Amino acid sequence: GAVVSQHPSRVICKSGTSVKIECRSLDFQATTMFWYRQFPKQSLMLMATSNEGSKATYEQGVEKDKFLINHASLTLSTLTVTSAHPEDSSFYICSARVLSGNYGYTFGSGTRLTVV
Amino acid sequence: KQEVTQIPAALSVPEGENLVLNCSFTDSAIYNLQWFRQDPGKGLTSLLLIQSSQREQTSGRLNASLDKSSGRSTLYIAASQPGDSATYLCAVSGVWDSSASKIIFGSGTRLSIRP
Repeated sequence: GAVVSQHPSRVICKSGTSVKIECRSLDFQATTMFWYRQFPKQSLMLMATSNEGSKATYEQGVEKDKFLINHASLTLSTLTVTSAHPEDSSFYICSARVLSGNYGYTFGSGTRLTVV
Repeated sequence: KQEVTQIPAALSVPEGENLVLNCSFTDSAIYNLQWFRQDPGKGLTSLLLIQSSQREQTSGRLNASLDKSSGRSTLYIAASQPGDSATYLCAVSGVWDSSASKIIFGSGTRLSIRP
């Protein structure tokens, strides 16, 4: 089946540094990827939609200069949290829509970011 | 604006019981509805996908129904097992407020199956 590989699974960084999270579609081409953020015991909040070869579309209230998204190829999208602060600590998950079969969405395994 | 609600927020039942999780959505213009499972600290695992033209899907002990006109879906779990303990999320996909397709999640139901 369609698999999205997300790395790293966990990362701890110091305040003020930047962290990059990668999502790769392993056996299909993902023209569109979605990035979500999840706080403890809450649901997933859509942050932005990334389209291959064009600028990402950010949801209202999400700082595009802080959460940089790059989707340079049909199999790779990256999210960079710049100048991280403790309040950025969260669980970040990427997703891609699978255009074959049942047209559902497949998700990465998530990245637990802790900013200290 | 599409809103997805899941009831109950938490549920604890003894092993072996059949149970139903509920999901409702405010805008019936959806492409499909998907049920996911999330274990603590983990990503999402897709359980069942129902297209907007379908009324139900089954996989093993799981059965999901969709009533698009009333904005409701249910996930039925038969003969529950401790390994079913997880958070169950429903999500709908469609185009609302913009030209881009997106998926909106409910807040989830935390399910605990007692041995």
